[in-house]
Amino acid sequence: SQQGEEDPQALSIQEGENATMNCSYKTSINNLQWYRQNSGRGLVHLILIRSNEREKHSGRLRVTLDTSKKSSSLLITASRAADTASYFCAFGGATNKLIFGTGTLLAVQP
Amino acid sequence: EAGVAQSPRYKIIEKRQSVAFWCNPISGHATLYWYQQILGQGPKLLIQFQNNGVVDDSQLPKDRFSAERLKGVDSTLKIQPAKLEDSAVYLCASSLRGTKNIQYFGAGTRLSVL
Repeated sequence: SQQGEEDPQALSIQEGENATMNCSYKTSINNLQWYRQNSGRGLVHLILIRSNEREKHSGRLRVTLDTSKKSSSLLITASRAADTASYFCAFGGATNKLIFGTGTLLAVQP
Repeated sequence: EAGVAQSPRYKIIEKRQSVAFWCNPISGHATLYWYQQILGQGPKLLIQFQNNGVVDDSQLPKDRFSAERLKGVDSTLKIQPAKLEDSAVYLCASSLRGTKNIQYFGAGTRLSVL
């Protein structure tokens, strides 16, 4: 399957702690994106990192990309209860097509 | 700016019945996508339109699924006849050309096939 693999499948942390989730993929990519999905809702784009970038920040989010290992990680610092959601990586190639990972379910306990 | 609109939000049907979903993308977005998301999994692309032409439908089960995007704006996805394994959330997304395929999603239609 072309689908990306994410780990962990589920993560439970306390408010204020950091959350790290990882994504691996198999094909060559132009960019890698992370999306959040709250229960019963559509996905929301969080951040995009290009294949020639190694690290990117946006607010409390930090994304790293290692194209030699075909892997990426998303770090959410100082987590809040509102960060509770599923997080998906998605990688894009030459076309506008995105292939999504299997997702990480994050629960932030208040 | 209005987001991607989808209807209905929920649909319950019996197997072998037919069902249709509707999507209205963000104004000006040329690319429209339909995804199937089975519980506990990531979205799987079913079909991608560029304006009213199909770009990718390699994972669309064409014996039962069909989609169209007349006039390059709204789109409908149809399943006929439905099977139990079609129970899933059907997500519509759209993107603007030249934005590195950042996609904007609707809230989805949750389909239950009994």
